[in-house]
Amino acid sequence: DVKVTQSSRYLVKRTGEKVFLECVQDMDHENMFWYRQDPGLGLRLIYFSYDVKMKEKGDIPEGYSVSREKKERFSLILESASTNQTSMYLCASRQQGAFEKLFFGSGTQLSVL
Amino acid sequence: DAKTTQPPSMDCAEGRAANLPCNHSTISGNEYVYWYRQIHSQGPQYIIHGLKNNETNEMASLIITEDRKSSTLILPHATLRDTAVYYCIVRLGGYGNKLVFGAGTILRVKS
Repeated sequence: DVKVTQSSRYLVKRTGEKVFLECVQDMDHENMFWYRQDPGLGLRLIYFSYDVKMKEKGDIPEGYSVSREKKERFSLILESASTNQTSMYLCASRQQGAFEKLFFGSGTQLSVL
Repeated sequence: DAKTTQPPSMDCAEGRAANLPCNHSTISGNEYVYWYRQIHSQGPQYIIHGLKNNETNEMASLIITEDRKSSTLILPHATLRDTAVYYCIVRLGGYGNKLVFGAGTILRVKS
């Protein structure tokens, strides 16, 4: 089975800190995604990457950046964390061409104080 | 992408079939129907998808009406572990850059 691993299950940071959320997948998938999930707003796409060193903005990229230096790893960076970035962050991967069959990690619950 | 409508919640007795409806009356001819579920404190999990024909896999069956305006996800023998939020999503086939997850249906399986 595909495994998508997010480095932290829970994370608490202070306003203004630079935050790194790491995601690793073990099935050689080309495509990787970062979503955030908030009550009443569903899942919203932040960034996605079709391949190494490639990235595309999703619906809500402001305040975030990403890095994909290796195929298996996709990092989400909060340049200067703010309280409105408190959320559940979900990473997903997909084999290119596999329609919309995404594999998700268990999520990182980030609290920014 | 076509918009979907699902009931906010449903209950099902353990061991019985759970039938989750989804309305997608504006679906276009080349849009697929996808179902995902999200168990509490976990990421969403792919269940099944289809275009026109009914589909079945080890998790569920997907019944799509002939006019494709609605579909039903069937869990044939629901267990307590099937309690989750179920999302119906309509999306074009091929490369997709995002899935839009709505509010979904909260399915509660009760013993």
